[in-house]
Amino acid sequence: QVQLVQSGAEVKKPGASVKVSCKASRYTFTSYHMHWVRQAPGQGLEWMGIINPSDGSTSYAQKFQDRITMTRDTSTRTVYMELSSLRSEDTAVYYCARDGVHIDSWGQGTLVTVSS
Amino acid sequence: DIQMTQSPSSLSASVGDRVTITCRASQDIRNYLAWFQQKPGKAPKSLIYAASSLQSGVPSKFSGSGSGTDFTLTISSLQPEDFATYYCQQYNIYPLTFGGGTKVEIK
Repeated sequence: QVQLVQSGAEVKKPGASVKVSCKASRYTFTSYHMHWVRQAPGQGLEWMGIINPSDGSTSYAQKFQDRITMTRDTSTRTVYMELSSLRSEDTAVYYCARDGVHIDSWGQGTLVTVSS
Repeated sequence: DIQMTQSPSSLSASVGDRVTITCRASQDIRNYLAWFQQKPGKAPKSLIYAASSLQSGVPSKFSGSGSGTDFTLTISSLQPEDFATYYCQQYNIYPLTFGGGTKVEIK
C-alpha cells in the first residue's frame, strides 16, 4: 500500500515562508510524479503544481509561479513544497498527491495557518 | 484554463437511492477525467480515472461515464459511508482543474 506521510501543522506570520514535506514509501519513488493541491477552509481543491522526482523538473500554476518552489530528495524519498510571502488567504490544508498517469494516492494533508 | 462545472452543488438522498452527479468541462478533455470522494477532515480518495475506470479497491457501486465535455458519476445504491463531497478533475491540460464539488447529504 502506497504511503505518503506529510509533515505536521504549521503556524506562520504574514510575509513568512513555509516548507511542507511529503515522504513516500512502498513504491518506486522516481517512477511517479507528485502534485501539490491545497484546500482553504470550507472551499474546494486547488492545484498548485507538480514535480518529477526523477529529474526534479517542475511545473507550477501561474497563480503561484513567483512564490512557490518544489524540490525533492531522492535519498530520503521526500518531496517538498515551499511557499513564500504568505498571506492570510494561504491558510489551507496542503496535500501531496501521487501521479502515474492520473492521481491515485494522497497524503494526509498539512494545515498551514497564516495569522499575525 | 479549463473550467469544470459540477451539478448539483449539493443533494439530499436516502440510503439505497441511485445518485448521479454531472461534470461539464469548458472544452474537450477527451476522457482525462477523474472523480474523488472527500469526507470531512480527511484527504480526498481517488475513485475513478479515465472517466470510467475504477480505481483499485473501489466498490463497483461507483461508476463513471462520458467523454469530451460531459461526464457523470453514479452511485448505484447509496450507503451511509457514501455521504461525502465528490469532486471531478480534468488532467488533459495543465493547469489541472477541479470542479466545485457536490455534497451528498442524508435526507
